[in-house]
Amino acid sequence: QIVLTQSPAIMSASPGEKVTITCSASSSVSYMHWFQQKPGTSPKLWIYSTSNLASGVPARFSGSGSGTSYSLTISRMEAEDAATYYCQQRSSYPPTFGAGTKLELK
Amino acid sequence: QVQLQQSGAELVRPGASVTLSCKASGYTFTDYEMHWVKQTPVHGLEWIGAIDPETGGTAYNQKFKGKATLTADKSSSTAYMELRSLTSEDSAVYYCTRFEDSFYAMDYWGQGTSVTVSS
Repeated sequence: QIVLTQSPAIMSASPGEKVTITCSASSSVSYMHWFQQKPGTSPKLWIYSTSNLASGVPARFSGSGSGTSYSLTISRMEAEDAATYYCQQRSSYPPTFGAGTKLELK
Repeated sequence: QVQLQQSGAELVRPGASVTLSCKASGYTFTDYEMHWVKQTPVHGLEWIGAIDPETGGTAYNQKFKGKATLTADKSSSTAYMELRSLTSEDSAVYYCTRFEDSFYAMDYWGQGTSVTVSS
């Protein structure tokens, strides 16, 4: 199965700061999804098919990448963005998730 | 609005079985696959399998074959997952998720069911 490696595992950012989270796949994938999860809640689809924002996701979020390297970027960090972000691939069975990046507010 | 309402937390004995439910509303149940995902602090998010409610067809992660069985009841728009021969490794939060096949993503998630395996 394809292993997704996210970095960093934990990070903190100040309000207004640019944030980039990366996801590296062990084999090439066609696209990547990203989920946001806050404590005590279920994951939410955040970015789908690499670069498409899910409904209600602020425009300060963006996604990019191809092959084995993908990223999620927040142009200007806001308090509500503090959460854990997971990447997920479905190019190859079984679908797999990254271990998550915990983003904290500095 | 789309909602996936999962059954309540379970405390079960080792070796027992448990069946979790996921009632869908706000959309046509048979138009979307239902997927199940396991979450633990150690292993993170793991895809268990999927069911097509229209046909009953299933697909499983090899890791969960023999552990999980997925079914669906069209009349009540409810998906089920039976977990058998439970051990402490099965203690987790389990989510049902609707699968949107136009962009191959799990777009709506239930609130999760916590399963604790303990004697």
